[in-house]
Amino acid sequence: AQTVTQSQPEMSVQEAETVTLSCTYDTSESDYYLFWYKQPPSRQMILVIRQEAYKQQNATENRFSVNFQKAAKSFSLKISDSQLGDAAMYFCAYRRGGGADGLTFGKGTHLIIQP
Amino acid sequence: EADIYQTPRYLVIGTGKKITLECSQTMGHDKMYWYQQDPGMELHLIHYSYGVNSTEKGDLSSESTVSRIRTEHFPLTLESARPSHTSQYLCASSEFGRGSSNEQFFGPGTRLTVL
Repeated sequence: AQTVTQSQPEMSVQEAETVTLSCTYDTSESDYYLFWYKQPPSRQMILVIRQEAYKQQNATENRFSVNFQKAAKSFSLKISDSQLGDAAMYFCAYRRGGGADGLTFGKGTHLIIQP
Repeated sequence: EADIYQTPRYLVIGTGKKITLECSQTMGHDKMYWYQQDPGMELHLIHYSYGVNSTEKGDLSSESTVSRIRTEHFPLTLESARPSHTSQYLCASSEFGRGSSNEQFFGPGTRLTVL
């Protein structure tokens, strides 16, 4: 069975600085997807960024980028120019390719933005 | 506007009551999911569906049941609520098929408290 590990329960960063959230996963599959989701306090979970395992190029979405190391099974999220609105719980998630399976989530990292 | 809705948003109920949590989506997605988010924020898949008349149990064993009579509707029922069912329940949906984005769209959640 696949597992997702987020080793940082909480991270703090100064506004406008850069922060990296860590995620490792374990799977025997070759076809899978990795995601970072953001859950602001009392608000809806939204997708931040997605990475297909077959793509070697790291995904980027504006200030958000990932460092996908397939051999090491590592999938970290870098947030550049941190903003107050980035404060939230961030969840790393895995999904097997080709099926209707749900997501396997890590335990989450609480990101605090210091003004 | 395409979206995913959950009602009620908050529910406080006594032990032994039967409850149904509603989830509807207007995106025409075939796949739908229920996740349970415990007070420590960890998320676990409890049910999913490939489409109408399809329901499957997820990774976390749950006493709840689900039904999928219409594409857009995926209600979750607890026949006899207990304090151990106190949690937040998140509904999600996604497209089905290898050409899809595999992104799951989440509803706002139902926060259930059983006294």
